[in-house]
Amino acid sequence: ETGVTQTPRHLVMGMTNKKSLKCEQHLGHNAMYWYKQSAKKPLELMFVYNFKEQTENNSVPSRFSPECPNSSHLFLHLHTLQPEDSALYLCASSQAGTSRTYEQYFGPGTRLTVT
Amino acid sequence: KNEVEQSPQNLTAQEGEFITINCSYSVGISALHWLQQHPGGGIVSLFMLSSGKKKHGRLIATINIQEKHSSLHITASHPRDSAVYICAVRSSGGSNYKLTFGKGTLLTVNP
Repeated sequence: ETGVTQTPRHLVMGMTNKKSLKCEQHLGHNAMYWYKQSAKKPLELMFVYNFKEQTENNSVPSRFSPECPNSSHLFLHLHTLQPEDSALYLCASSQAGTSRTYEQYFGPGTRLTVT
Repeated sequence: KNEVEQSPQNLTAQEGEFITINCSYSVGISALHWLQQHPGGGIVSLFMLSSGKKKHGRLIATINIQEKHSSLHITASHPRDSAVYICAVRSSGGSNYKLTFGKGTLLTVNP
């Protein structure tokens, strides 16, 4: 699936580092999402952007900072993370709408390890 | 207790067997999704349904809104079907974008 790409695929960072995850979608969608998937836990929605405006912030700590410069690109800036933030971070995109649910298309994910 | 419960958590089958994975949810919903996640992380949407039944190849998804229950069936299973299958729901009246996910069912199909 090349509709949604994520870089890097793997990232190891120390607790004092600053890094960014990048997501790009080539599907012409207007909504983009960040999810966190920890071991043995369900997927958790972190942020949603609709037409570049943040519409959801699911009580995410401020050490995670999203940025959506346009409808095709989404970033997740990371700083002073904790070991418990180690997880698979998934980006997704979909059409945007207020009256119906659209399918979400996922990227391959970034496997993050915080040491 | 998670709003979305899947069973079983783990399932091992022999190639060719008929497989059923179940999903129960506790809230009113406007849509239910079945997703497939292969080792390595990538997630693919299999079905999105709000009533009745959908079929795609060897995969069949059904939903009973009154009983708040959905099933995913795989006919003539194959080792390449080995993956985690995830159920997710969009609550009716809730955010248009927020899905609540089950923990997933790990399916292993042996040759």
